[in-house]
Amino acid sequence: QKEVEQNSGPLSVPEGAIASLNCTYSDRGSQSFFWYRQYSGKSPELIMSIYSNGDKEDGRFTAQLNKASQYVSLLIRDSQPSDSATYLCAVQGRTGTASKLTFGTGTRLQVTL
Amino acid sequence: ETGVTQSPTHLIKTRGQQVTLRCSSQSGHNTVSWYQQALGQGPQFIFQYYREEENGRGNFPPRFSGLQFPNYSSELNVNALELDDSALYLCASRAGIEAFFGQGTRLTVV
Repeated sequence: QKEVEQNSGPLSVPEGAIASLNCTYSDRGSQSFFWYRQYSGKSPELIMSIYSNGDKEDGRFTAQLNKASQYVSLLIRDSQPSDSATYLCAVQGRTGTASKLTFGTGTRLQVTL
Repeated sequence: ETGVTQSPTHLIKTRGQQVTLRCSSQSGHNTVSWYQQALGQGPQFIFQYYREEENGRGNFPPRFSGLQFPNYSSELNVNALELDDSALYLCASRAGIEAFFGQGTRLTVV
C-alpha cells in the first residue's frame, strides 16, 4: 500500500464547475496535510494547509480533512483554465525524518472551456 | 515568489560524474529539505537539515550527501551519477510547518 494515494487522472471539468480532488494516507501519526499545485515543468507551489478535522476555506479553495478515515480532499470552486495543473497531496509527521513531506503521485486537473 | 532560490536551473552530466546543487533559503528558515522528483511521480524525500545538522534521511544511498551552512543555504552533492538520477531536484525551506519550494534543478545524466 502506498503511503499517500491519489487518482492520477486526468480529471476533466468544465470552466466554472467544482473540481474535487481526493487523497488517502496510511500513517495515522500524520500531523499536517498540504495541497501543492504544480504546473508542467515548474516546482510545487503551496496552496492549502490543514491540520485539524473539518473544512478550511481560502478563496476558491476548500481543504477537507477526516483523520478517522485518513482522507484529505481539495475542492476548487469556479474552476478556471489557469487551474489546469497537477495537484499534489502531501502529509507530514512530527519531528526528524517524520517531519518530511510524503507526497502522492498527483492528480492532473484539466479545466476545459 | 517563495524566496527560495536554486542553482543551476538545468544541467547535463555524464554517468559517473559528480554534481553539486545549491539552494538559498529565505531568511530565518532554519530547516531545509531536498527532494527528487522523477517524471510523472511525486517528490521523494532525500534528506533534511536543521541548524546545519542532518536530522532525517530518506531511502537514498550514501552517494547522496548534503550540507547546510550558517546562513541556512544548502548543497546537495551526488557522486557517481547514474542514469536513474535524472530528475528534478527540489529544495524546500521552512521556519515552521509549511515548506516552500525553490524552482528546482533539472538534472539530466547521459
